Amino acid sequence: GNSVTQMEGPVTLSEEAFLTINCTYTATGYPSLFWYVQYPGEGLQLLLKATKADDKGSNKGFEATYRKETTSFHLEKGSVQVSDSAVYFCALSVGGSTLGRLYFGRGTQLTVWP
Amino acid sequence: DVKVTQSSRYLVKRTGEKVFLECVQDMDHENMFWYRQDPGLGLRLIYFSYDVKMKEKGDIPEGYSVSREKKERFSLILESASTNQTSMYLCASTTAQGSNSPLHFGNGTRLTVT
Repeated sequence: GNSVTQMEGPVTLSEEAFLTINCTYTATGYPSLFWYVQYPGEGLQLLLKATKADDKGSNKGFEATYRKETTSFHLEKGSVQVSDSAVYFCALSVGGSTLGRLYFGRGTQLTVWP
Repeated sequence: DVKVTQSSRYLVKRTGEKVFLECVQDMDHENMFWYRQDPGLGLRLIYFSYDVKMKEKGDIPEGYSVSREKKERFSLILESASTNQTSMYLCASTTAQGSNSPLHFGNGTRLTVT
């Protein structure tokens, strides 16, 4: 089946620290991979995506590389800011009869202190 | 920008009431989804729809139904609300153009059933 496993939080960092949030997946077929972010009081919004192996998605200083050999899509940022405090969700999408549907990880709460 | 609007941010209902959660999107998206979000469980898919008058069960459809009479509107119905349906409900939409189209989310409805 299709599923996503991401590291449990909460993650607490000081400003300018390096961030990694691990994400691994299982999928039927060739998935597209996504990271979504949810700021307090808001819905989820797309942070970045990658649609094929070895693609790197990037946005707002965050990066993630689609690693087919390790079925992973880890999120990284070199220097976090207080404004990055949010919940981060890894997700995958496959085609076929489930077109457009996303399978989500459980989310990782990130808190960044000044 | 795509806008997905959920009619209520907060709702408080009593056990046994029939509850309607409304969602409207303004980008002519074919696909619409209802998720519920609970701490430690992430997002779980309740129902989704690929077209007007079409619906598909997600992972946790029990106790819910949906209605899609118009393309832009997707309603979630709790036939007889129970306390275990207290949760955050998120609506989302996307185009039908392949598995790498991102979901666009509303800001959520926090439902409390007493």
